[in-house]
Amino acid sequence: DSGVTQTPKHLITATGQRVTLRCSPRSGDLSVYWYQQSLDQGLQFLIQYYNGEERAKGNILERFSAQQFPDLHSELNLSSLELGDSALYFCASSATGDYYNSPLHFGNGTRLTVT
Amino acid sequence: AQKVTQAQTEISVVEKEDVTLDCVYETRDTTYYLFWYKQPPSGELVFLIRRNSFDEQNEISGRYSWNFQKSTSSFNFTITASQVVDSAVYFCALSEGDRGSTLGRLYFGRGTQLTVWP
Repeated sequence: DSGVTQTPKHLITATGQRVTLRCSPRSGDLSVYWYQQSLDQGLQFLIQYYNGEERAKGNILERFSAQQFPDLHSELNLSSLELGDSALYFCASSATGDYYNSPLHFGNGTRLTVT
Repeated sequence: AQKVTQAQTEISVVEKEDVTLDCVYETRDTTYYLFWYKQPPSGELVFLIRRNSFDEQNEISGRYSWNFQKSTSSFNFTITASQVVDSAVYFCALSEGDRGSTLGRLYFGRGTQLTVWP
């Protein structure tokens, strides 16, 4: 058990809808990362938050947004969903996000299916 | 261009065979980290190892061993005496550090599906 909790485990929704994925980092970790795993693109970094602030951005679509709350949990919001957004979304956390920190530990992922 | 290449899409072996998973990376940074993760059928990503660019010593952990060679930009992973429970997708990943990049921004390879038959 990595200590990173993601909810829900599965989500099925229709095109055009909006969903929110939730992540609770490991106790004491300040940094949260979101990754998308799809058949087409593989595993891709989306975005990182550190102590409530956006720290780095990857291949995140404009229809997607994220935030990290004062209690350090994070939410990834996906809107105007398309079939191609179907994927496994992972959250990971680390203590500080700095380079010499401990390695990332991933949650079990949220499987999103858009129909 | 792909920063991490795992040329082997699928490998099948019979239990007790040794198997090596290849990983070739590309970076201009002098400071970087390399990782291996395992993704079993249940879907979670399990951390296996992290290696920094200044440490080329090979590492062994039980039946697992890793061979890091900067000269060939490779970070290969060997499983000795494979078991059915080793069946999973294995990902190699790179994190770059020269420009103050975040450790957590990993570039993953496309993965190698390992199937171990009884």
